[in-house]
Amino acid sequence: GENVEQHPSTLSVQEGDSAVIKCTYSDSASNYFPWYKQELGKRPQLIIDIRSNVGEKKDQRIAVTLNKTAKHFSLHITETQPEDSAVYFCAASTSGTYKYIFGTGTRLKVLA
Amino acid sequence: DSGVTQTPKHLITATGQRVTLRCSPRSGDLSVYWYQQSLDQGLQFLIQYYNGEERAKGNILERFSAQQFPDLHSELNLSSLELGDSALYFCASSRSGRASSQYEQYFGPGTRLTVT
Repeated sequence: GENVEQHPSTLSVQEGDSAVIKCTYSDSASNYFPWYKQELGKRPQLIIDIRSNVGEKKDQRIAVTLNKTAKHFSLHITETQPEDSAVYFCAASTSGTYKYIFGTGTRLKVLA
Repeated sequence: DSGVTQTPKHLITATGQRVTLRCSPRSGDLSVYWYQQSLDQGLQFLIQYYNGEERAKGNILERFSAQQFPDLHSELNLSSLELGDSALYFCASSRSGRASSQYEQYFGPGTRLTVT
């Protein structure tokens, strides 16, 4: 069945450094890839997404890259700040299926 | 605020009981998704409705059921509750106007269910 693998499960970086989280999906028909940030006890919030007709998308300090051939996509956070500390989830969705398959999450800690 | 509302915020009940969680999607959104998140775990997709019809099922137990009403709000019913059902239950909505395209999902604040 469909599967999304996410690595690493935890990531600690120094403030100001970059953080990269990687996801690999199994369904080659997946064509929409959102990323969510979840702070402790709160709802997941969409921070950026990418569709399969685009290889990269940026929004200020956040960027997502997609490699359709390898079936993986990555979240890049530059100039990390303590408020970036949270759990980040990737997801993959396939047109027509209505399903969103989530990765297992990455706990990011930004050390001041 | 995502515009998705969920009630109640917290629910404490005993094993064997039945509860109903309610979700109202964002204005204009036709799709509702239900997810379960156990402590320090990921988001497990349970079920999805589009304009009143069930469209996708995930790892939903037979003790759980859901429906979407004509006004598009949705309810998740959990019965014969077990200790392991304690979790955060999130509802999300999206436009999903056509099967050929996907739209962003927006999550509600969640209902924290504690089974004692």
